[in-house]
Amino acid sequence: DTGVSQDPRHKITKRGQNVTFRCDPISEHNRLYWYRQTLGQGPEFLTYFQNEAQLEKSRLLSDRFSAERPKGSFSTLEIQRTEQGDSAMYLCASSFNDRREQFFGPGTRLTVL
Amino acid sequence: AQRVTQPEKLLSVFKGAPVELKCNYSYSGSPELFWYVQYSRQRLQLLLRHISRESIKGFTADLNKGETSFHLKKPFAQEEDSAMYYCALSVTGRALTFGSGTRLQVQP
Repeated sequence: DTGVSQDPRHKITKRGQNVTFRCDPISEHNRLYWYRQTLGQGPEFLTYFQNEAQLEKSRLLSDRFSAERPKGSFSTLEIQRTEQGDSAMYLCASSFNDRREQFFGPGTRLTVL
Repeated sequence: AQRVTQPEKLLSVFKGAPVELKCNYSYSGSPELFWYVQYSRQRLQLLLRHISRESIKGFTADLNKGETSFHLKKPFAQEEDSAMYYCALSVTGRALTFGSGTRLQVQP
């Protein structure tokens, strides 16, 4: 499968714990995006990278959230001190340069108890 | 800031009936508009984009800058069209702004 992959697919954690998600984009894609989707809503932008540079962050991305893409390939999204409001589907997408078509991964569903 | 509005959460039609999923946007410049679709248990995928002006799976969408709309249409719905549809907007290579989605149910 040469599409965008995400790991894990599901994560259940207790409030206050830290969690980390991984995204592997399509190999030739240099842009990588993170979105969050809650029930009944469309995906909401969190942040995006061009190669290893983080170019934009949404105000949704509080200081408990951090994202990295150290070698311009895979990316990680970490949430520290999780809260119940962080429960959502976290989606990763990638694209080639500034082509607007983004290819999405299957998502990581986070449940914070 | 840009915004995308999909006024219908659910649209239910019978097989063979015409379908129109509404999408309105607000942005002062020239955005690029998309329709993404999510079938049951599958990932979000691009259905069509306004600059390509093509028909995918019988669906078309025309950008109306005067009305700031990008409605998705299909003349004859099929059961396999049942899915969640999201309208999205992109500005100069930045991230997508999505609407809240419309669930299309095509009944036999």
